[in-house]
Amino acid sequence: AQSVTQLDSHVSVSEGTPVLLRCNYSSSYSPSLFWYVQHPNKGLQLLLKYTSAATLVKGINGFEAEFKKSETSFHLTKPSAHMSDAAEYFCVVTPSGGYQKVTFGTGTKLQVIP
Amino acid sequence: ETGVTQTPRHLVMGMTNKKSLKCEQHLGHNAMYWYKQSAKKPLELMFVYNFKEQTENNSVPSRFSPECPNSSHLFLHLHTLQPEDSALYLCASSQDLGEVATQYFGPGTRLTVL
Repeated sequence: AQSVTQLDSHVSVSEGTPVLLRCNYSSSYSPSLFWYVQHPNKGLQLLLKYTSAATLVKGINGFEAEFKKSETSFHLTKPSAHMSDAAEYFCVVTPSGGYQKVTFGTGTKLQVIP
Repeated sequence: ETGVTQTPRHLVMGMTNKKSLKCEQHLGHNAMYWYKQSAKKPLELMFVYNFKEQTENNSVPSRFSPECPNSSHLFLHLHTLQPEDSALYLCASSQDLGEVATQYFGPGTRLTVL
């Protein structure tokens, strides 16, 4: 069995300040973990993925995430928020990265204040 | 046009209506997917097609009927829907069945059932 919990439904940050979006997971296997972003009226776009290689994963647009097995966490961070980062972010877990048995989180809406 | 397109972008229908959602991908992919994104709920995989053949139906009610006439087009035929079926329906495609990270998503159709 597996699950993913995004701890905050909404996060608000000022432009230029750090972003932290939290994700905790549970899985009976070694999971593959992903972060997706969804801008208004757009489809989901892959930000980054972890598939048991390096625990610190760098993605697009300056985002990165660290896989911490001891804490069962995969938090998404960015040093400095831009207005264009305002969107909804989804944490995703699968047992092996495959399309089956994929579990999406409920999403975190990021607001960036000028 | 490139990527994955979905029409219509918005649809309002009564419970007795019959309507169809259309998805088209211009990426030369072989696999296509329908997802349902309800408010405050995780994204749910509904159907999967590979080379026009349905490979997965995640216990979706029969009032949703998918059709894949070729690898570039995917339809979702709707009839006798319920208000709880109101959601954003996302289509995705990938070169082959495999990693969820390889899927390209369309912008979705926002469906409201009255």
